[in-house]
Amino acid sequence: DQQVKQNSPSLSVQEGRISILNCDYTNSMFDYFLWYKKYPAEGPTFLISISSIKDKNEDGRFTVFLNKSAKHLSLHIVPSQPGDSAVYFCAASARSQAGTALIFGKGTTLSVSS
Amino acid sequence: KAGVTQTPRYLIKTRGQQVTLSCSPISGHRSVSWYQQTPGQGLQFLFEYFSETQRNKGNFPGRFSGRQFSNSRSEMNVSTLELGDSALYLCASSQSGQGFPYEQYFGPGTRLTVT
Repeated sequence: DQQVKQNSPSLSVQEGRISILNCDYTNSMFDYFLWYKKYPAEGPTFLISISSIKDKNEDGRFTVFLNKSAKHLSLHIVPSQPGDSAVYFCAASARSQAGTALIFGKGTTLSVSS
Repeated sequence: KAGVTQTPRYLIKTRGQQVTLSCSPISGHRSVSWYQQTPGQGLQFLFEYFSETQRNKGNFPGRFSGRQFSNSRSEMNVSTLELGDSALYLCASSQSGQGFPYEQYFGPGTRLTVT
């Protein structure tokens, strides 16, 4: 059973507009969430994270929102740029569990056109 | 700081063989995790090592094993390779103290093809 779900396999956005990538989770023990970006033939690159004690975290053009009651988080990219075109993965972790295993969604491919 | 490095980058093996992949974490990072990425299953957690001890393990058969050395470098081994083991194997390192997740930083991966 998938604990982290990214229901949109792909998203197309025009340069300069907002990109919104969504992620849902089912495990209420998750208390730390991360977004990664991945280009072909490279490893995932860490973008931004959020702890469950917050509902928003911002870093430059990237903002992550967390809605714990809905078990939903989203990544906003404003403004979107062609270089943002990549696969975006949402990941979750539970502080209570031993170690730092990340549970990943299957990714959303973002295409930003100029 | 140098990033996470993985060797080799590409590998072709035959069914039934075994393979060892290597990972050097970011300097100062003591936790190393391994993930398998396939088109169908996405990124799946294999195991994590911290201070030379396996701290967490995903749902993979015993053919998949790993170890960590005193300098935090890690290796993973897959024995009796199967066609389904063809995947991108990613290593990630983090500072990771006890009980609190830190961001993990990934290497470029090793692309394993089993024929």
